[in-house]
Amino acid sequence: DTEVTQTPKHLVMGMTNKKSLKCEQHMGHRAMYWYKQKAKKPPELMFVYSYEKLSINESVPSRFSPECPNSSLLNLHLHALQPEDSALYLCASSPLWGTENTEAFFGQGTRLTVV
Amino acid sequence: RKEVEQDPGPFNVPEGATVAFNCTYSNSASQSFFWYRQDCRKEPKLLMSVYSSGNEDGRFTAQLNRASQYISLLIRDSKLSDSATYLCVVNSQTGFQKLVFGTGTRLLVSP
Repeated sequence: DTEVTQTPKHLVMGMTNKKSLKCEQHMGHRAMYWYKQKAKKPPELMFVYSYEKLSINESVPSRFSPECPNSSLLNLHLHALQPEDSALYLCASSPLWGTENTEAFFGQGTRLTVV
Repeated sequence: RKEVEQDPGPFNVPEGATVAFNCTYSNSASQSFFWYRQDCRKEPKLLMSVYSSGNEDGRFTAQLNRASQYISLLIRDSKLSDSATYLCVVNSQTGFQKLVFGTGTRLLVSP
């Protein structure tokens, strides 16, 4: 099973709303990621979790709050977003650096629209 | 300078053509390298990892030149279904997983 599952697939939220994106994998990967992708641009790294601890935060605004409750789950809590935050949010997982194969597998993404 | 650079294209080729994509990376400490494919409005999917000795998977061949910090992807006998954006991805940080994407190269294969 090389599947990363993200929910919801689509989300429309107002600027005062609070919502959460969810990501789940059962491949035993101990690195999980959030990426943001705008149209016609490559994915941009937001956060990396290693062993359920935040290891990289790419200077993401605090209105995005990641959480890794266990080794299979990754959440992204959203609050007071701006319309320019509308994008495709991708979750990925991979084995940790230093292991033989470190390929990352991506979920289908959540297409977020902030109104 | 961007960490990972690619020619954005598009590359327009006829079916059956051979096409090559290049990618350069700036961090000489980068450890692992990948090519991903992304179709319109879909998630990136791993095409192949890139090993120091070079590797081949069917019609696809990837090469790595560490001295020049350069990665390539060769597609032989292009199919219509190869039309997509090809993303060069580099793990740019030793000790952590920091997968950085290039801008992507768009390939259009026509009949």
